[in-house]
Amino acid sequence: DIVMTQSPDSLAVSLGERATINCKSSQSVLYSSNNKNYLTWYQQKPGQPPKLLIYWASTRESGVPDRFSGSGSGTDFTLTISSLQAEDVAVYYCQQYYTTPYTFGQGTKLEIK
Amino acid sequence: EVQLVQSGAEVKKPGESVRISCKTSGYSFTTYWISWMRQMPGKGLEWMGRIDPSDSYTNYSPSFQGHVTISAGKSISTAYLQWSSLKASDTAMYYCARHRTDTAMLPYYLDYWGQGTLVTVSS
Repeated sequence: DIVMTQSPDSLAVSLGERATINCKSSQSVLYSSNNKNYLTWYQQKPGQPPKLLIYWASTRESGVPDRFSGSGSGTDFTLTISSLQAEDVAVYYCQQYYTTPYTFGQGTKLEIK
Repeated sequence: EVQLVQSGAEVKKPGESVRISCKTSGYSFTTYWISWMRQMPGKGLEWMGRIDPSDSYTNYSPSFQGHVTISAGKSISTAYLQWSSLKASDTAMYYCARHRTDTAMLPYYLDYWGQGTLVTVSS
């Protein structure tokens, strides 16, 4: 199985500041035939299902604010929130869909400082 | 509008069986794979398995293989997750989600999620 490891486990950032969450996979999730990284980011607020934010490692889902961005390739990925808003308090998960079993990172809890 | 609406919470005893459902609407059910995920209380997400509703082909995570069954009812655009003998450790929230696919109907990331079904197993 591909192991997904996120860092940090929790993060406190001031409103308006940048938040950065990292995700590392135990093997590359870059598919050479199409040069795409099979990596997504989800946001989960308390009592709600996860919400798709980013797919193909860097493509923002329709309707997701542009303060959310994804980057990285191969085994190392980053989710960045450029200017933290109060409504961004949530747990964030990365997930690989390169191969089954699909696997998620353990989650990063983002709070307001 | 794409919607995945899951069945209500279940409270069961160890050894009992249960089937939870995920009713879809707003798109062609047989065109998109469906996966099921488990989230134990206060924990992260775990992928359990997926189904291609067009032919009911399934594959499971080794962690769940043999303990759960995923199925689909094409005529009512509904996916199912069932257990024949529940354990207390099955207590969790369960989510269904739709895979976005390409023109070849290969499944990719999960774009729409159900609201979740809480299954509680307690004697």
